[in-house]
Amino acid sequence: GENVEQHPSTLSVQEGDSAVIKCTYSDSASNYFPWYKQELGKRPQLIIDIRSNVGEKKDQRIAVTLNKTAKHFSLHITETQPEDSAVYFCAPGGSNDYKLSFGAGTTVTVRA
Amino acid sequence: GAGVSQSPSNKVTEKGKDVELRCDPISGHTALYWYRQSLGQGLEFLIYFQGNSAPDKSGLPSDRFSAERTGGSVSTLTIQRTQQEDSAVYLCASSPGLVADTQYFGPGTRLTVL
Repeated sequence: GENVEQHPSTLSVQEGDSAVIKCTYSDSASNYFPWYKQELGKRPQLIIDIRSNVGEKKDQRIAVTLNKTAKHFSLHITETQPEDSAVYFCAPGGSNDYKLSFGAGTTVTVRA
Repeated sequence: GAGVSQSPSNKVTEKGKDVELRCDPISGHTALYWYRQSLGQGLEFLIYFQGNSAPDKSGLPSDRFSAERTGGSVSTLTIQRTQQEDSAVYLCASSPGLVADTQYFGPGTRLTVL
């Protein structure tokens, strides 16, 4: 099965600074790379995703970059705001079936 | 349209009792997933359905856990002879199922085993 690692496990940033979370995966056949955000007490929700034919995707303050050769992809959040405080999960998938393999999560805290 | 729904939202049971958790996926979604999330932890994959069949049951923790899906829609996760370590939030998600795609999560069922 897919081995997924996220780093760091916790991240504290000053409001307005940038945050970067890296996700490393093992299955070279993976072709779908999403990031989910889970606020405290809420359900996980997709915030951005990328497929293997694209190297970067941006949506306002968030972006995802993919390095298929090195088997990692990263979430970038710029101009962080208090509402960005949450747990973020990467979940690569798509190699043989419809499963996504969730990472252990990164707890992001934005300090005002 | 309606999202994924789960019932009950909360369930408190006594050790040794059986419980059933229900998931109603988004209409037309062929793929359905069950996860378990303990307090402050990540998402633990339990089982996934494609239509009514379960190609991957590898995450079910023991034979006390079972799941079924009927009519390509509603799914039920059953835990028999519950133990205290079964206490967690059980999340269901669905996706269109054509390719690996966005999973839409339900609000979860919080299970507490006393």
